[in-house]
Amino acid sequence: GESVGLHLPTLSVQEGDNSIINCAYSNSASDYFIWYKQESGKGPQFIIDIRSNMDKRQGQRVTVLLNKTVKHLSLQIAATQPGDSAVYFCAETQGGSEKLVFGKGTKLTVNP
Amino acid sequence: AAGVIQSPRHLIKEKRETATLKCYPIPRHDTVYWYQQGPGQDPQFLISFYEKMQSDKGSIPDRFSAQQFSDYHSELNMSSLELGDSALYFCASSLRGAGYEQYFGPGTRLTVT
Repeated sequence: GESVGLHLPTLSVQEGDNSIINCAYSNSASDYFIWYKQESGKGPQFIIDIRSNMDKRQGQRVTVLLNKTVKHLSLQIAATQPGDSAVYFCAETQGGSEKLVFGKGTKLTVNP
Repeated sequence: AAGVIQSPRHLIKEKRETATLKCYPIPRHDTVYWYQQGPGQDPQFLISFYEKMQSDKGSIPDRFSAQQFSDYHSELNMSSLELGDSALYFCASSLRGAGYEQYFGPGTRLTVT
């Protein structure tokens, strides 16, 4: 994904801690930002999305924050569990197109 | 809940052979997308269909073609396979207008030898 990227390739946390995964984007015309979780050998799993006119959205144990001023997106996972270990991708849709442009993934490892 | 179904799950082909990957979207989903994911890479969009018509096109080689049928399932046809085509191929589906909420299948792992 040329316009969407991640700051860190890996993140290691202790079970029970909160995790924050970051993503930077460059396209101001993005419509939606989406977070996906991909476990080894599986397809990406939809976690949560946020429309470009919002700055925060909460789901179950997850919160996505969008800072359009600095073009930054983050995924916060509360009380991280071993089952959260996976690669996390941010993605975006642009200009009315429904194709997803993915950023580089961040591998989250949760240590027991 | 029913998910996206892909077949086959694994496929081994030799160079210059052809391959056909199939995708069955979630019931009532009318839009299908194909993505290619190389080892350690992010998924790259190939092509999408809505109501049997191509709706968007990405970095899909000319050797590849795809179509969507009246029952909304889709097939990705790959010819003159090259070693570099070895990858995971994912199909995703969504409702039209809700492309921000795409649901992915388990993928087909294609190995070209």
